[in-house]
Formats: sequence, C-alpha cells, structure tokens
Amino acid sequence: SQQGEEDPQALSIQEGENATMNCSYKTSINNLQWYRQNSGRGLVHLILIRSNEREKHSGRLRVTLDTSKKSSSLLITASRAADTASYFCATAAALSTSGTYKYIFGTGTRLKVLA
Amino acid sequence: DVKVTQSSRYLVKRTGEKVFLECVQDMDHENMFWYRQDPGLGLRLIYFSYDVKMKEKGDIPEGYSVSREKKERFSLILESASTNQTSMYLCASRVGGHNYGYTFGSGTRLTVV
Repeated sequence: SQQGEEDPQALSIQEGENATMNCSYKTSINNLQWYRQNSGRGLVHLILIRSNEREKHSGRLRVTLDTSKKSSSLLITASRAADTASYFCATAAALSTSGTYKYIFGTGTRLKVLA
Repeated sequence: DVKVTQSSRYLVKRTGEKVFLECVQDMDHENMFWYRQDPGLGLRLIYFSYDVKMKEKGDIPEGYSVSREKKERFSLILESASTNQTSMYLCASRVGGHNYGYTFGSGTRLTVV
C-alpha cells in the first residue's frame, strides 16, 4: 500500500465550512508535504512540515503532524469554491543509490466545495 | 516563480510509436523527476535525475528511458508505446535538498491507441 494514505477519499462541504483531510504513513519520515491538484493539471506544493514540527500555518491552511501516530492532517478554514481540488500528502524516502530523496504520494482526497 | 513547462498538454500516439515527452525548468534545479498518475494508483515515479547526464530508475521504469543533456531539460522517452502507457505524465523539479517541495509541470495526458 502507499506510504501516504489520505482519508477520506472524497469530501463534499459547503462554502465557508472547514475541511479536514488526514494522511497516514508507515515509516519514519524526514518531512511531510501537502499538494493540491486541480482537475487535469499538475500538483501545486502547499506546505512542508518537518518531523520535529507539530503544527504549521500558511494562510487558511493548517497542517499538524503527529509522528507517534504517523499521521498528519490538513485543515482548510473558511473554504471557497476555488478550493475544490484533490489534495495529496507526500513523504520523503531516501534513495540509497544517490543520496537524494523521492517523495511517495498517496492517492489523494477529492474535495468539493459547494457554493 | 519557478516554472516547469511540459511541451504538450494532450498527446495521442499509436501503439509501437516512439514517444518523446519534454520538460523544461527555468530555475537551475538539480533534481528532475518523471511521474505517471493513474486513477486509484496515485503518482508513481518512473525516472529521476539529480544532475546533467545522470539518471536513476524509479519504481516503474520498464518501457521508458530518459535523457538529460542539459540541466534545464529532462526528456521521457517511450521506446515503443503501448496502450498500458496511456496515462497522465507529470514532470517535477526540485532544488537539491529534500526539505523543499516539488514544482510540477501542468502534465501531459497521453493516450496510446
């Protein structure tokens, strides 16, 4: 299964409500990242949280990380129709041959914000 | 802003054709990556490169090759396209360290008929 697994798979809310998405992973991580993907487009990096951080904010986004539970959550406050997208978490995995890292992505949460 | 440009948004090719997907980034990033995205499977790493002329296999390299002759350009090659390579292909670049996010291109939706 994926290193990062998002929950729920799909979420539908009214504009103005908060949206919470969760990500679980299996191995120790150096950092965890969240990305947004609008339909049929590339992914956009939203926020990175390091393993020694517990919470991070960026505008209407709040990310928490619980390394003891191997989980993270993404909260979008006061959601807007423009937030409609798929959201992915990604965890960094070391590539032993080169010393670089790749990110392992989950399958995403599809968020729909109704106007 | 860093920009990653993929040459085609949509591409239709015939089975057996050799297909080139081009990706160019404008911020002097060392690392470049090719992923494919399929419903229910998420993003899977095909190949990546951490320097000019360097390449390493990702999780699903079979049927693909890559070329990185210049730092800004990373090409994905389908040697002999097959229908199971119909997918969304995403190129990404990243400045060296792993504590930075990817910058993705807009993607190329390839259909092999």
